[in-house]
Amino acid sequence: GAGVSQTPSNKVTEKGKYVELRCDPISGHTALYWYRQSLGQGPEFLIYFQGTGAADDSGLPNDRFFAVRPEGSVSTLKIQRTERGDSAVYLCASSQGAGELFFGEGSRLTVL
Amino acid sequence: KQEVTQIPAALSVPEGENLVLNCSFTDSAIYNLQWFRQDPGKGLTSLLLIQSSQREQTSGRLNASLDKSSGRSTLYIAASQPGDSATYLCAVNSGNTPLVFGKGTRLSVIA
Repeated sequence: GAGVSQTPSNKVTEKGKYVELRCDPISGHTALYWYRQSLGQGPEFLIYFQGTGAADDSGLPNDRFFAVRPEGSVSTLKIQRTERGDSAVYLCASSQGAGELFFGEGSRLTVL
Repeated sequence: KQEVTQIPAALSVPEGENLVLNCSFTDSAIYNLQWFRQDPGKGLTSLLLIQSSQREQTSGRLNASLDKSSGRSTLYIAASQPGDSATYLCAVNSGNTPLVFGKGTRLSVIA
């Protein structure tokens, strides 16, 4: 596609539920990044893929968070047993190698 | 650990003014630095990318400079317009590590 696409744009869920957020990167981009942004803060790194493998997952806050990119293109961020503190905007970005990053519009997650 | 600081946190200026946004980073061993714009409720739009070997980049009314040795970058906006109102984010890439962001500067340009 022309840009990075993220779905859903908004997700409201109840505490304890399971959530999946999807990212479709720019075609041909090998690197894919997930960030989380809370109100009034800059984006915080979660995980980075180079191809199909997670090159760096040091930003994942705990084992409730997991992400996959099985075919080296689309990625899914999975959050188990959601907590109110997980409420944030989840941003996805892609790049060609270590070059310029291009971001999607984000998925706003609200945990009630 | 790389840390990025942006000053000021918020800025309000009358239309037509030239302005400077500041970004500083703690580890000067960077690969590149990127400036982004973020409108409320939206994602990030890349404005300028400066490679570590470069001193500045220009795009229209925007000019970004980089002084790697002192760990500083500035974003200069000429002849500001109300449409420039947004949050501006600075982010640093240290090569094999992911982009580290500052908290941003929230700019309001008053007509």
